[in-house]
Amino acid sequence: DTGVSQNPRHKITKRGQNVTFRCDPISEHNRLYWYRQTLGQGPEFLTYFQNEAQLEKSRLLSDRFSAERPKGSFSTLEIQRTEQGDSAMYLCASSAPPGGTNEKLFFGSGTQLSVL
Amino acid sequence: QQQVKQSPQSLIVQKGGISIINCAYENTAFDYFPWYQQFPGKGPALLIAIRPDVSEKKEGRFTISFNKSAKQFSLHIMDSQPGDSATYFCAASLTGTASKLTFGTGTRLQVTL
Repeated sequence: DTGVSQNPRHKITKRGQNVTFRCDPISEHNRLYWYRQTLGQGPEFLTYFQNEAQLEKSRLLSDRFSAERPKGSFSTLEIQRTEQGDSAMYLCASSAPPGGTNEKLFFGSGTQLSVL
Repeated sequence: QQQVKQSPQSLIVQKGGISIINCAYENTAFDYFPWYQQFPGKGPALLIAIRPDVSEKKEGRFTISFNKSAKQFSLHIMDSQPGDSATYFCAASLTGTASKLTFGTGTRLQVTL
């Protein structure tokens, strides 16, 4: 399967613990995005990378959140001192280098985080 | 501030019927309007997209209608099938902002036999 891969699929943690998620994008895609989706809502943009550079961060991304993309390949999203409000599906998406006017996002199946 | 409003929240359509989902946007600078389909346990998948230079785009059974003056766009699913049962999201973005999409709240579609 050459789609976007996310691990783990599910994560249950206690409030105050740190968690880390991993995303492996489609290999030739140089842009990588993180979105968050809560129940009954659409995904919300968190941050995106072009290669290894993090180019934009949403105000939703508090200082407890940090994302990295070393070497421009896979990415990790870490949440420190988790809170119950962090419970959500964390979606990763990737896209090919922009050559035309449209940029198609390919989403992974997400990591479902539950903070108890 | 919700920049993309989507309705209805849920929709039940009989097999063979037409499913219609509506979205309205506020930011007149938006110039890319995709629709995504999401099945339970999966990430959203791009279904069809439109730019404001055309009023309609059709791909198979799926059609987007776009009304720039009203700042509205809609998804029509013709000959709806049980396999179309999913949650549908409209979205919008600005060219030059990569794909920082602003999504609607979603419509859960159920197609009955």
